[in-house]
Amino acid sequence: EIVMTQSPATLSVSPGERATLSCRASQSVSSNLAWYQQKPGQAPRLLIYGAFARATGVPARFSGSWSGTEFTLTISSLQSEDFAVYYCQQYNNWPPKYTFGQGTKLEIK
Amino acid sequence: QVQLVESGGGVVQPGRSLRLSCAASGFTFNSYVMHWVRQAPGKGLDWVAVVTDDGSKKYYADSVKGRFTISRDNSKNTLDLQMNSLRAEDTAVYFCAKEGGTIPPDAFDIWGQGTLVTVSS
Repeated sequence: EIVMTQSPATLSVSPGERATLSCRASQSVSSNLAWYQQKPGQAPRLLIYGAFARATGVPARFSGSWSGTEFTLTISSLQSEDFAVYYCQQYNNWPPKYTFGQGTKLEIK
Repeated sequence: QVQLVESGGGVVQPGRSLRLSCAASGFTFNSYVMHWVRQAPGKGLDWVAVVTDDGSKKYYADSVKGRFTISRDNSKNTLDLQMNSLRAEDTAVYFCAKEGGTIPPDAFDIWGQGTLVTVSS
């Protein structure tokens, strides 16, 4: 099973600043990596797929990048609505054993 | 609009069964792979099961294999999850989710609001 490891577990950032979230895969997943945002009591929302493509309606301040098995979600200038939990997910396998990272909580500093 | 609505959650005793449903609307349901994902209270996301667009292939997480069955009815645009031999560790919010593309694998672009299953005596 591919293990996805996110860091840090909690990130404290001030509004207007940049946030950088990391996700590491235990083996290659190519660019088959997604990022989701989840707010309390809500379903996850797709932000990034294919490691760097923004989903429909996602603001340009969200960007994804990767190198090898290291993936990064960057939020360039944090808005109040961005404080949430972020999950990465690999979807490289078929038959699928899709796996999620444990999440990074982005909180207001 | 594109929407997934789950139902069927509730409180159930250990060892008993429960059936969840997910009603889809706003897209061509029979063109997409569909999934169930769960989230235990205060925990992260955990993939549970998937069914192909035509319902012919089904795959499960090891933790639920042999106890849960995923199915779909493309004539009714519904996705189901039959959960048998429930355990306390199955307590979670269960989400149905749609893959974004018509050729899997792909990310999950649409999620339902979730339905809570509590396994407790």
